[in-house]
Amino acid sequence: EVQLVQSGAEVKKPGESLKISCKGSGYSFTSYWIGWVRQMPGKGLEWMGIIYPADSDTTYSPSFQGQVTISADKSISTAYLQWSSLKASDTAMYYCARLRGNHYSDFDYWGQGTLVTVSS
Amino acid sequence: QSVLTQPPSVSGAPGQRVTISCTGSSSNIGAGYDVHWYQQLPGTAPKLLIYDNNNRPSGVPDRFSGSKSGTSASLAITGLQAEDEADYYCQSYDSSLSVVFGGGTKLTVL
Repeated sequence: EVQLVQSGAEVKKPGESLKISCKGSGYSFTSYWIGWVRQMPGKGLEWMGIIYPADSDTTYSPSFQGQVTISADKSISTAYLQWSSLKASDTAMYYCARLRGNHYSDFDYWGQGTLVTVSS
Repeated sequence: QSVLTQPPSVSGAPGQRVTISCTGSSSNIGAGYDVHWYQQLPGTAPKLLIYDNNNRPSGVPDRFSGSKSGTSASLAITGLQAEDEADYYCQSYDSSLSVVFGGGTKLTVL
């Protein structure tokens, strides 16, 4: 069974750093792109970027380029999303999801989400 | 403002048919890129509903169907049920922006 299991909820202060994770299982982790999607409170889905764990090839949304870093450790089948200096506006639910095929395809499996709250 | 435009809300009575539109442009849907649809029930992660314009993953009822024409796509739900009340999102690819989502549509079952 394909599963993406994300790390737990985080409460941080503005200016702090954070790295959240997404562990894949039940499939060949290095054979599929993993994407990150932001959902701010009461809002829609926003694509942040994708990574190919086999070689860490990464593509960012123009809206998130330079704001976050996406990485992966294929040895432990885990993708990461990190911030170096959080802002209150980073408060959101973050989902990882598996791309079924190439950049044009759908996200066929999703993680349960990680809620990030940034507040002083 | 999302690259793909969806109506903010639609509604229908149980048993009825509703459609949700997703309007793009010549750089995404009109360029031939496939459209995918997701259902997000309250408090849960999105779930793939339709992929590649009109294909249903295993387990998705055939009450859900998708279509695409020109720069737009549509999701149709027939035999509306109370459990269909959710947010629905379309997704495609844009030649300048990469992956793009619609703004989402809230379906209310009256």
